Amino acid sequence: RKEVEQDPGPFNVPEGATVAFNCTYSNSASQSFFWYRQDCRKEPKLLMSVYSSGNEDGRFTAQLNRASQYISLLIRDSKLSDSATYLCVVSPRGSYIPTFGRGTSLIVHP
Amino acid sequence: DAMVIQNPRYQVTQFGKPVTLSCSQTLNHNVMYWYQQKSSQAPKLLFHYYDKDFNNEADTPDNFQSRRPNTSFCFLDIRSPGLGDAAMYLCATSSRLAGDYEQYFGPGTRLTVT
Repeated sequence: RKEVEQDPGPFNVPEGATVAFNCTYSNSASQSFFWYRQDCRKEPKLLMSVYSSGNEDGRFTAQLNRASQYISLLIRDSKLSDSATYLCVVSPRGSYIPTFGRGTSLIVHP
Repeated sequence: DAMVIQNPRYQVTQFGKPVTLSCSQTLNHNVMYWYQQKSSQAPKLLFHYYDKDFNNEADTPDNFQSRRPNTSFCFLDIRSPGLGDAAMYLCATSSRLAGDYEQYFGPGTRLTVT
């Protein structure tokens, strides 16, 4: 089993839709969780950290489920500009070596 | 202002001709990383530095080497590039004091091998 698994997609959704991605991780000692966004042929950029209590930033909501060892990203009211690959990143507490998922591709169409 | 800078942004080299990619940072982060990313794949860690301590991933080919002459700069040397080394090379930095080792990436260098 891979350490961090994501459905590569693509998820093809119309503008205005709500879409959710999950990411599962195998290391139960994982303590730091992040979602990064990567546009085509660009570098990954931090979208949001994922806290135990969950967190929300505008249209984006991230949740952590430790019991089932997954994190999720919910995007409401999708915009064309949300089209990108969303990378799940996980690392043990205090570790500076994260593990990346291969990413989930989102395509938002008019 | 750019915080992690990579040069060049695009590099074309010939099979077997050495190439050096550079990375600089203005964040004063103590950890620096080099990743290789191929299309539709996750970034693959090649090396990282924790302060001056160098760490080589077990599956990084011997063809790849790195130098970090000071906190701000890091170099990736590919001694004899093969066609399979064509990829995006990403430099990243992090620090425990900055979001528990949240990573900041440079724009990448896209390497083409002819």
